Amino acid sequence: DAGVTQSPTHLIKTRGQQVTLRCSPKSGHDTVSWYQQALGQGPQFIFQYYEEEERQRGNFPDRFSGHQFPNYSSELNVNALLLGDSALYLCASSFIGAAHNTEAFFGQGTRLTVV
Amino acid sequence: DAKTTQPNSMESNEEEPVHLPCNHSTISGTDYIHWYRQLPSQGPEYVIHGLTSNVNNRMASLAIAEDRKSSTLILHRATLRDAAVYYCIFTTAAQKLVFGQGTRLTINP
Repeated sequence: DAGVTQSPTHLIKTRGQQVTLRCSPKSGHDTVSWYQQALGQGPQFIFQYYEEEERQRGNFPDRFSGHQFPNYSSELNVNALLLGDSALYLCASSFIGAAHNTEAFFGQGTRLTVV
Repeated sequence: DAKTTQPNSMESNEEEPVHLPCNHSTISGTDYIHWYRQLPSQGPEYVIHGLTSNVNNRMASLAIAEDRKSSTLILHRATLRDAAVYYCIFTTAAQKLVFGQGTRLTINP
């Protein structure tokens, strides 16, 4: 089992550009959540996708959008990049139908640098 | 957002037990207590979770206070590989985790 895979691992973009990050969930998982982690901080929840729809959203502007595909993989899009968007972007997958509250599995993250 | 309180940092010696405390006074009856850890340059890794009873797994033990307002993560014999930032989270859903600052654990050889 490959676990959660994210691509690319590193990315450098210029202010104002747009970026797309990709995530493949762990086999058997149907839910993907995205997090932003600034240097020295804990991860911050961006949004969650289940059944190809955004189900929950954290306190992030509309410049952050996403998509989930029928195979449960997901993309995170960020438009009009700002310097402050530089961070580690983490994808986590889980199975929403678990009998009880269960664990999330995280990928290694995509390090985005905006210059 | 769900709020937990953890010490910023702790230090221990290799092969000694480590007790990482967490306060979660606003926890509700349906919230589970989760612990994750993040090793350098990696994504967070699940450690353990529980609701009311103490829990054990191959990585650690979780001791939950009777009033559920606090918990302690116990690493029975710390190794150098346990050096990480440990996050205590309470949530009703693994799909939305609210991370705090966590505790940075240093293990001395």
